[in-house]
Amino acid sequence: GAGVSQSPSNKVTEKGKDVELRCDPISGHTALYWYRQRLGQGLEFLIYFQGNSAPDKSGLPSDRFSAERTGESVSTLTIQRTQQEDSAVYLCASSLATRTGYVYEQYFGPGTRLTVT
Amino acid sequence: TQLLEQSPQFLSIQEGENLTVYCNSSSVFSSLQWYRQEPGEGPVLLVTVVTGGEVKKLKRLTFQFGDARKDSSLHITAAQPGDTGLYLCAGSGYALNFGKGTSLLVTP
Repeated sequence: GAGVSQSPSNKVTEKGKDVELRCDPISGHTALYWYRQRLGQGLEFLIYFQGNSAPDKSGLPSDRFSAERTGESVSTLTIQRTQQEDSAVYLCASSLATRTGYVYEQYFGPGTRLTVT
Repeated sequence: TQLLEQSPQFLSIQEGENLTVYCNSSSVFSSLQWYRQEPGEGPVLLVTVVTGGEVKKLKRLTFQFGDARKDSSLHITAAQPGDTGLYLCAGSGYALNFGKGTSLLVTP
């Protein structure tokens, strides 16, 4: 398939545990984004990767959240010591390289539904 | 962060009715996108508007970008159950600034 894939699709974890969420972007897309969507809400920007540039981490809600990207491919979002308020759908998107003042179409994965009990 | 406010938050209508949803901001955007999200899926792009005053049509959907590029509207004519979903507007930046969305339910 040529779309963005995410795994796992669902994750249930106990409070205090660490979780890793994976995103496989569309091949050739240099930009990759992570968003969080709480129930009934819009999308909250978390982090952005663009090629080899330093990632923009300005949306990460706390230092328990981190993300890495291997070159222009797979990305992993890690949440340490999960809390109940971390429960949400985590969406990954990829796009062609961005340029100032314009955002190319972002292609979203189906998301990972995280439930912290 | 440039805030985008969408209204109404929820809308429930019957098949065949017309509706308009709004996306407003105090900030100017160089471009604005509308996405639709269905349950269990990621958002899918419907349209990008770039020029102030621009109107784009996608079958029964009409999108308008305000002259000042601070607001946008989405009008659906003769809504169908297949239009049900969460409609999100997103303003330009290297990462999109999303509104909270309008949840639309169209019943037969």
